[in-house]
Amino acid sequence: GQQLNQSPQSMFIQEGEDVSMNCTSSSIFNTWLWYKQEPGEGPVLLIALYKAGELTSNGRLTAQFGITRKDSFLNISASIPSDVGIYFCAGHYTDKLIFGTGTRLQVFP
Amino acid sequence: DAGVIQSPRHEVTEMGQEVTLRCKPISGHNSLFWYRQTMMRGLELLIYFNNNVPIDDSGMPEDRFSAKMPNASFSTLKIQPSEPRDSAVYFCASSYAGKEQFFGPGTRLTVL
Repeated sequence: GQQLNQSPQSMFIQEGEDVSMNCTSSSIFNTWLWYKQEPGEGPVLLIALYKAGELTSNGRLTAQFGITRKDSFLNISASIPSDVGIYFCAGHYTDKLIFGTGTRLQVFP
Repeated sequence: DAGVIQSPRHEVTEMGQEVTLRCKPISGHNSLFWYRQTMMRGLELLIYFNNNVPIDDSGMPEDRFSAKMPNASFSTLKIQPSEPRDSAVYFCASSYAGKEQFFGPGTRLTVL
């Protein structure tokens, strides 16, 4: 099925570092969502973006909805070990979400 | 409030057996989605319901898969007969007005 291009595929970083990941699409979306999935659990919604250019924060997380509506990025500042997991972007398409391929984040103390 | 509830959390069965996965969406949500997640294919949408009515089942892989939503608080995904390639994690998600979807913890299915 359809998928968004998400990069990087994986990241290995030191605790305290900032992280940036992004998602791009050839299609326009009206909503972008960012989820985090930990082992053995379902994806958990982190941030929802509804307007082109919108910048939204949730604690140490900041996400932006690209002006072209074809991309979005997620930043995590001052990473901590519990940030470990897989981060997925998702674009809203008609009634459905189209998911990115995920960014696997590892944080070393 | 309780989130999306799925049962069982783990299911191990033998090829050819019938498998039924269950989902209780968040109260008040009117859309329900069934996904399958594998390493190879990521998260795939199988089917979704709006107001208990199936809207799009184009992601259901074969006739062996069927889903029902008899009321607003319950849905099932059935595989009959099951095959080893059906082994995956199956997620149910619900939403109100279709945008922000909230996922359950998933059912890890292993077909031997």
